[in-house]
Amino acid sequence: NAGVTQTPKFQVLKTGQSMTLQCAQDMNHEYMSWYRQDPGMGLRLIHYSVGAGITDQGEVPNGYNVSRSTTEDFPLRLLSAAPSQTSVYFCASGSGYRSPLHFGNGTRLTVT
Amino acid sequence: EDQVTQSPEALRLQEGESSSLNCSYTVSGLRGLFWYRQDPGKGPEFLFTLYSAGEEKEKERLKATLTKKESFLHITAPKPEDSATYLCAVQARRAGNNRKLIWGLGTSLAVNP
Repeated sequence: NAGVTQTPKFQVLKTGQSMTLQCAQDMNHEYMSWYRQDPGMGLRLIHYSVGAGITDQGEVPNGYNVSRSTTEDFPLRLLSAAPSQTSVYFCASGSGYRSPLHFGNGTRLTVT
Repeated sequence: EDQVTQSPEALRLQEGESSSLNCSYTVSGLRGLFWYRQDPGKGPEFLFTLYSAGEEKEKERLKATLTKKESFLHITAPKPEDSATYLCAVQARRAGNNRKLIWGLGTSLAVNP
């Protein structure tokens, strides 16, 4: 049982480059989300989805796009990377409203 | 404003030395309080959910409790493998579809053999 799988684990980008962070879950969870974790800031919600075809913004959505074409996959796109996007990115999924979130092991992104 | 504060920021214990971690929260209508453990280079791993004041949950050497203003994570006779960062998060009833969690900054626990 893989749970939530994120790729790549590490990535270095130059300012202005684009890339997609991949996230897949095999638990048939309707809810999926992206968080970023920065020192002194805690975890912050970027985007979320409550089901295939439905996405919405979290608290720090600027500079990121998402799509949800299947229940399993929820990729995060950086269209034009900026140094402020240097962070660790976590994908999380969950079932019911009061259920806990299950996290992947993260992608460490550095933008130079 | 909804807020979660964890203390202490860091804690060093000897193996077998019991202690407690604190999570104080301010939220308008609590849906749930979550405890997670995070190891270096890994994602948060779920430990407990508490929904109402007075509730307690246990798992091995860990016990979580909840009041109307704070939660404690009690660690009894810790072992070196309990070393990790412990994160607390709350979800407000008004969170709606986004299920937004308000996170604390964590307590970094080191247990020396």
